[in-house]
Amino acid sequence: KAGVTQTPRYLIKTRGQQVTLSCSPISGHRSVSWYQQTPGQGLQFLFEYFSETQRNKGNFPGRFSGRQFSNSRSEMNVSTLELGDSALYLCASSLGITENEQYFGPGTRLTVT
Amino acid sequence: AQTVTQSQPEMSVQEAETVTLSCTYDTSESDYYLFWYKQPPSRQMILVIRQEAYKQQNATENRFSVNFQKAAKSFSLKISDSQLGDAAMYFCAYRTGNQFYFGTGTSLTVIP
Repeated sequence: KAGVTQTPRYLIKTRGQQVTLSCSPISGHRSVSWYQQTPGQGLQFLFEYFSETQRNKGNFPGRFSGRQFSNSRSEMNVSTLELGDSALYLCASSLGITENEQYFGPGTRLTVT
Repeated sequence: AQTVTQSQPEMSVQEAETVTLSCTYDTSESDYYLFWYKQPPSRQMILVIRQEAYKQQNATENRFSVNFQKAAKSFSLKISDSQLGDAAMYFCAYRTGNQFYFGTGTSLTVIP
């Protein structure tokens, strides 16, 4: 069974631009969570989607948004990029929202210049 | 608020020796799950071990074991017979309901 995949793996954007990241969960998994990983802050939860609905949201500004499609694939969008948005964005999937184990993708490394 | 604290930003261990990574958490919940994840350099994060809070017995996975002290809200990871491939960032995580909380990580170096 294929693991969680994320595209693109690397991205360079300039301040003020917007970006869309994609995540394909493990086949059969219906829950997708997004995290921002930075050296100083560690992993911070962005949001979780299940059955195309946002079930949970972390403490991030409205510039960060996401959605999930009927095939469970998810996208994350960041508008009006800031230098501080430079980070590794991780996607994790699980069978459902109450499942204990999350399986992580390799991440998308976003650099904002 | 639920928080997870890893007080050791960096640790090192001699190959074949044993090392313990510490983790404490703060919660008012009685039903939750604890995890240790490993993130090797430039590689994917993977689950090392998990512990259900309602289980008193400490979880064990081959060379990895935990010391779960529920009353003290402590969840340490012991790695026995350390190998070079154990070098990674280790994250302690806590889950209750549909919320996941991660610590800031401990970077483990294995010295040959």
